[in-house]
Amino acid sequence: ETGVTQSPTHLIKTRGQQVTLRCSSQSGHNTVSWYQQALGQGPQFIFQYYREEENGRGNFPPRFSGLQFPNYSSELNVNALELDDSALYLCASSLPGGVTGELFFGEGSRLTVL
Amino acid sequence: AQRVTQPEKLLSVFKGAPVELKCNYSYSGSPELFWYVQYSRQRLQLLLRHISRESIKGFTADLNKGETSFHLKKPFAQEEDSAMYYCALSGRPDYKLSFGAGTTVTVRA
Repeated sequence: ETGVTQSPTHLIKTRGQQVTLRCSSQSGHNTVSWYQQALGQGPQFIFQYYREEENGRGNFPPRFSGLQFPNYSSELNVNALELDDSALYLCASSLPGGVTGELFFGEGSRLTVL
Repeated sequence: AQRVTQPEKLLSVFKGAPVELKCNYSYSGSPELFWYVQYSRQRLQLLLRHISRESIKGFTADLNKGETSFHLKKPFAQEEDSAMYYCALSGRPDYKLSFGAGTTVTVRA
């Protein structure tokens, strides 16, 4: 069974640029959630995708957007990067409908915005 | 709004001593509570959830709705318990998690 994989693991961007982060969910999981974890903080919910549709969103501006593909992999896009976007971005997949409440996390993509 | 508070950033205990990690929450409905753990160089993973009422690796946590708390306890800490622990809350029906800021536990020999 393949776990959640994320790419890239590290990247550096400059303010104003755009970034795309990718996530492959665990086999059999059709729900993908994205979290932002700033240094010294717990993960903060960005949004969730279920069967290719956005299924809830946290308190993040529209320049944070996402996609989920038919194979349940997902992308997180951030436009007009700001310095405060520097963080670890975590992808998590879960069982259909998230019934058990258990999230399976990837190792994250660490974004640095200069 | 849902909020999770972990008042201790750092917790240091000796091996064999009891350890308790505090978690308080605010939520207007009926929440589900979880503890997630991240060991060194590993990914974040579920430790336990209140609905299961089970003990995992010797840890237990009881949901106290009156005090809105979900403290994590272990009677005898082991060195392998050294990790970062996050308390998390999920509201129904969406199961999106709100995490606390985390507590770093160090168990000394």
